[in-house]
Amino acid sequence: DSGVTQTPKHLITATGQRVTLRCSPRSGDLSVYWYQQSLDQGLQFLIQYYNGEERAKGNILERFSAQQFPDLHSELNLSSLELGDSALYFCASSVGSSGGGLAKNIQYFGAGTRLSVL
Amino acid sequence: DQQVKQNSPSLSVQEGRISILNCDYTNSMFDYFLWYKKYPAEGPTFLISISSIKDKNEDGRFTVFLNKSAKHLSLHIVPSQPGDSAVYFCAATTNAGKSTFGDGTTLTVKP
Repeated sequence: DSGVTQTPKHLITATGQRVTLRCSPRSGDLSVYWYQQSLDQGLQFLIQYYNGEERAKGNILERFSAQQFPDLHSELNLSSLELGDSALYFCASSVGSSGGGLAKNIQYFGAGTRLSVL
Repeated sequence: DQQVKQNSPSLSVQEGRISILNCDYTNSMFDYFLWYKKYPAEGPTFLISISSIKDKNEDGRFTVFLNKSAKHLSLHIVPSQPGDSAVYFCAATTNAGKSTFGDGTTLTVKP
């Protein structure tokens, strides 16, 4: 158990809808990362938050947004869903964000949310 | 521009033999390199790492080698065990905390 909790585990929805994925980081971790893994693809970095602030942005679509709350949990909002958005969405957390050395940059992943857009 | 590449999508080895997984990168600003292992229906888990100032790090059956001049790293698993069968992701991280992952290599260790 990595200590990172993602809910829900599975989500089935229709095109055009909006969904929210939730992530609770490990206790003490300040950074949260979101990744998308489409079928047979690698991990695509979407966005990183550190202590409530956006820290880095990857290939995140404008239809997607995220935030990290004061209690450090994070939500990834996906709107105007398309068939191609069907994927596994992983959340990860780490202790630090920058300048912290290797140990603070090791990411601990949740089990993922499988999103199916029909 | 894919900054971290794992050119072999899959690798199959016999139990007890060596598994060598490779990873190439293009950004010389990466400070740390990490390997993660992923089983089906689970998230990736951290396996082993190396700092850019080192050329080798060993942890039990797992050794990571870094060749900075070639911008290449490799993960050696000796001896390979069936339980090592998983997808292995190479990741590179800057000191600013931004990580880039490769596409993964699926390792199958045959009994």
